Amino acid sequence: EVQLVESGGGLVQPGGSLRVSCAASGFTFSSYWMHWVRQAPGKGLVWVSRINSDGSSTTYADSVKGRFTISRDNAKNTLYLQMNSLRAEDTAVYYCARRPQGLGDSFDIWGHGTMVTVSS
Amino acid sequence: DIQMTQSPSSLSASVGDRVTITCRASQSISNYLNWYQQKPGKAPKLLVYAASTLQSGVPSRFSGSGSGTDFTLTISNLQPEDSATYYCQQGYRTPLTFGGGTKVEIK
Repeated sequence: EVQLVESGGGLVQPGGSLRVSCAASGFTFSSYWMHWVRQAPGKGLVWVSRINSDGSSTTYADSVKGRFTISRDNAKNTLYLQMNSLRAEDTAVYYCARRPQGLGDSFDIWGHGTMVTVSS
Repeated sequence: DIQMTQSPSSLSASVGDRVTITCRASQSISNYLNWYQQKPGKAPKLLVYAASTLQSGVPSRFSGSGSGTDFTLTISNLQPEDSATYYCQQGYRTPLTFGGGTKVEIK
């Protein structure tokens, strides 16, 4: 079964750091670009970051640029999001999602999400 | 950034009705438009990609159309399990952006 499973969410103080992970299974992880998308409580979906299949190219939303780092370990079939200098407005469910092969960016497989709460 | 504007923000319809949701891009995005369904507490699910191609396993009562800046998602013969929030998303250029969502309620 094709699956993405996030972990690592939790409560962190403003200014703190957290790393969330996304374990992939059921497909050739190293062949796919991957994304992080977040959703604040009761709000809509917001794209956060993208990484290409070998990890050599990354892209970020302006709201997280310089604070968040996306990376991957293809040997471990795992995607990461390192989040530093966290703010209250980063509070959200963080989803990892797979970009299907082909033209344009869409998200065909999603994880269940991991909740990150930034609060003192 | 490309802004995506969805309308309406919510609607209520009866089982069997035909429902149309619109999505407008602030600039032309060709056919790089995708639609998702999200139920409460769940991850979004891809319904339609490239404006009009139905994702595998999605019921044929869902259909998408449009190109350039104006797009629609149509649900024909609305079913109780279609109660959800629907989002459009442009895949033309980063930052990737979503519409604000349309909440569909079943009367």
